[in-house]
Amino acid sequence: NAGVTQTPKFQVLKTGQSMTLQCAQDMNHEYMSWYRQDPGMGLRLIHYSVGAGITDQGEVPNGYNVSRSTTEDFPLRLLSAAPSQTSVYFCASSYSPGLFTDTQYFGPGTRLTVL
Amino acid sequence: KNEVEQSPQNLTAQEGEFITINCSYSVGISALHWLQQHPGGGIVSLFMLSSGKKKHGRLIATINIQEKHSSLHITASHPRDSAVYICSLGGSQGNLIFGKGTKLSVKP
Repeated sequence: NAGVTQTPKFQVLKTGQSMTLQCAQDMNHEYMSWYRQDPGMGLRLIHYSVGAGITDQGEVPNGYNVSRSTTEDFPLRLLSAAPSQTSVYFCASSYSPGLFTDTQYFGPGTRLTVL
Repeated sequence: KNEVEQSPQNLTAQEGEFITINCSYSVGISALHWLQQHPGGGIVSLFMLSSGKKKHGRLIATINIQEKHSSLHITASHPRDSAVYICSLGGSQGNLIFGKGTKLSVKP
């Protein structure tokens, strides 16, 4: 099993550009989520999905879109990049949604810089 | 008030020392997770607790639900234990809450 994979590992964007961060898992997990990690702050939830076709907003969803057309993939789209979106982005998955009583598996992260 | 507080924020230890990292929280939870973030950035789940105590190698995690407190202990610490340790909560409302982490540095 590859676990949770993310691409790209690094990305530099100019303000106003759009891009998609890819996340995939091969563990047949129902729950997938995107977090951003900024210096001095804990991980913050951007969007999550409890299964194919179902997504919902987390704590900091503005400026981001997600979709979940398959169980395996959960891409994160930046619609019009802003310097405030400079961060490290982590994708995570777990077997069952809801109360987080399962082990969370994290991807390696994507370091994004917006100039 | 933050829903989850970790202490200390930073910790420097000598190799071989016994280390304790604390996590206090103020909300109802379904489970508490201890995560390790390596210097390279990757995040690994160490423990998931809903009660009592768990042990894996030199790592021990405990939780006291009544006192809303958890501790992560590392026995016989080693430089490879240097990492950021993050406490995260599975909230009873179906959300996940993260602490800001404790940065541990173990010197040889």
